[in-house]
Amino acid sequence: GQNIDQPTEMTATEGAIVQINCTYQTSGFNGLFWYQQHAGEAPTFLSYNVLDGLEEKGRFSSFLSRSKGYSYLLLKELQMKDSASYLCAVRALNTGGFKTIFGAGTRLFVKA
Amino acid sequence: DTGVSQNPRHKITKRGQNVTFRCDPISEHNRLYWYRQTLGQGPEFLTYFQNEAQLEKSRLLSDRFSAERPKGSFSTLEIQRTEQGDSAMYLCASSLDGEQYFGPGTRLTVT
Repeated sequence: GQNIDQPTEMTATEGAIVQINCTYQTSGFNGLFWYQQHAGEAPTFLSYNVLDGLEEKGRFSSFLSRSKGYSYLLLKELQMKDSASYLCAVRALNTGGFKTIFGAGTRLFVKA
Repeated sequence: DTGVSQNPRHKITKRGQNVTFRCDPISEHNRLYWYRQTLGQGPEFLTYFQNEAQLEKSRLLSDRFSAERPKGSFSTLEIQRTEQGDSAMYLCASSLDGEQYFGPGTRLTVT
């Protein structure tokens, strides 16, 4: 089966750096995604990793280690608007095609 | 607006009734996904289409749930004989190859 673990909640200060970890177990791994979801809104795409290493995109970076089943999302220069849930999602290739499984999300609270 | 659209945005129904939701994906996207999300949880995979073919269906999806994507364009999700446990946000997403683009969702309340 597939399993994704990420912390339920985190709190950080405006202007600081926060790292949100995600561990996963899956067969047929075909990529890991991070999405941001504000309360009452749909998820929006942040980053995608399929090979090991760090992907940087502005204030957001994502890291993947396939051998460890581990990823993290790094948010720099935190802003109040970054308060949201951050969803780790793993795509796997099964006999029927692609299937994406989401973690429960990490709720990030940014305080002044 | 060329994003993913879903209709209706809200649906209130009585237990035992049937409901149908519609999703219009981004026009050039060949993959379409349905998810269900409850408060405090991530989206839960329901089913997935590549063009008009339904390639994957969650084992969690009971026989009361059915989805179609005729002609590989819009998709419908039908829930028959709704139960209170079906109350949730139903999200549709589409993609070409990588990231998925989500619609605003349909919030279902079963009374």
